[in-house]
Amino acid sequence: DADVTQTPRNRITKTGKRIMLECSQTKGHDRMYWYRQDPGLGLRLIYYSFDVKDINKGEISDGYSVSRQAQAKFSLSLESAIPNQTALYFCASASSTDTQYFGPGTRLTVL
Amino acid sequence: GESVGLHLPTLSVQEGDNSIINCAYSNSASDYFIWYKQESGKGPQFIIDIRSNMDKRQGQRVTVLLNKTVKHLSLQIAATQPGDSAVYFCAENPNAGNMLTFGGGTRLMVKP
Repeated sequence: DADVTQTPRNRITKTGKRIMLECSQTKGHDRMYWYRQDPGLGLRLIYYSFDVKDINKGEISDGYSVSRQAQAKFSLSLESAIPNQTALYFCASASSTDTQYFGPGTRLTVL
Repeated sequence: GESVGLHLPTLSVQEGDNSIINCAYSNSASDYFIWYKQESGKGPQFIIDIRSNMDKRQGQRVTVLLNKTVKHLSLQIAATQPGDSAVYFCAENPNAGNMLTFGGGTRLMVKP
C-alpha cells in the first residue's frame, strides 16, 4: 500500500472554479508539503506544514491555500483556477530526521 | 503521456553500461543532498542521500559523489538496466526543516 496518497489523480476544470486536492500519509510524519511541477522544471514548493494548524508559504504560494486539520492530511486549494495553474501537483511528507516521501501526483488541467 | 521532462537534458546509455548523472547545486550552505528518481506517471522516489561531511556514499548499484569545492553532485549507476530509465533530480537542503531545492532533472534513457 502507498504511504502517501493523493486524490484525485487527474482533474480537468474550468477557469474560475475552486479546486481542492487531497493528500494523506500513513507514515506518521509531522511534516507535509505541496509542490508543483511544470514540464522541463524541477519541483517548486507551494506550501508546507510542520504540524497540525501550522502553515507556511513556499516559493510560489500566490493563488493557492492549504489546510492541515489532521496530522495525516494536507489539502491544497486553488481558490479561482487559471490556465497557468495547469501542472502536476505532488504532496510529500517527512519527519524531522527523514527525507521527503512523495505521493503519485495529481495532473490538473485548467481550461 | 508524461509531460514532465519535455525539455530536459537527456543521457542515453547502453544496457549494462555505467551511467553518470551530474548536478550543480547553488547554495554553499547546503548540508544535505538527495537524488530522486521519477518514472513516468509517478512521484519522485528517493534513491540515495549524502551529508556535507562526506564526499562519497554507496548504495545498491548507486553511488553519490559530492564535491563541495565546485558545488557538484553526481549519481553513478552501475550496470544500468531498462528499469533505470526515468528522470533523475538532485535536491539540496540549504537550511533546517527538510526544505529542499530541486534541480531541473536529467532524463536517463537505457537502450537494450
